[in-house]
Amino acid sequence: EDQVTQSPEALRLQEGESSSLNCSYTVSGLRGLFWYRQDPGKGPEFLFTLYSAGEEKEKERLKATLTKKESFLHITAPKPEDSATYLCAVQAGSNYQLIWGAGTKLIIKP
Amino acid sequence: DGGITQSPKYLFRKEGQNVTLSCEQNLNHDAMYWYRQDPGQGLRLIYYSQIVNDFQKGDIAEGYSVSREKKESFPLTVTSAQKNPTAFYLCASSIDLNRDTEAFFGQGTRLTVV
Repeated sequence: EDQVTQSPEALRLQEGESSSLNCSYTVSGLRGLFWYRQDPGKGPEFLFTLYSAGEEKEKERLKATLTKKESFLHITAPKPEDSATYLCAVQAGSNYQLIWGAGTKLIIKP
Repeated sequence: DGGITQSPKYLFRKEGQNVTLSCEQNLNHDAMYWYRQDPGQGLRLIYYSQIVNDFQKGDIAEGYSVSREKKESFPLTVTSAQKNPTAFYLCASSIDLNRDTEAFFGQGTRLTVV
């Protein structure tokens, strides 16, 4: 069964303390992996798409990487405004549907 | 500005009532989706549509219905047959089902049964 697992469920960091969020997947025929940011009470906001192992993308303090089994979202010197839930989703095989992880809630304390 | 508009932001439903959630997009996207989000779970797909007058069931379609009479609009009706409708509902769109491109989301509707 295709599955996407995100860890940890929650992560508390001090401002400036770099860390990584994990999205591991077991699917057949990865076509794309997507990262989103979601603020409380809002819809998810698109961050990155990764298509093949070894690919990396960056945006401000965020960097997403992809291997054949997992993706990492690295956050460098985070600020309180980076606090949000980060969602990972995978598209695979002949299925049009995205398979979503449950998300990682990131809290950055000033 | 292009985007997806969901309304209302908050909705309250009495037992036995049908309610309709609105979703409109001006991105000229062909594909549209409805998801349900519950605490601690990944997004779950209710229905999706690739073209006007055509839509497909997702993983949790029971108790829901949709229509796609216009490219821009994809309303979701939560019927009285949905036994646990309290949730956050998200509408999304993408260029095309057949391309592996990102989906864009509306701001959501929070539905509560009273």
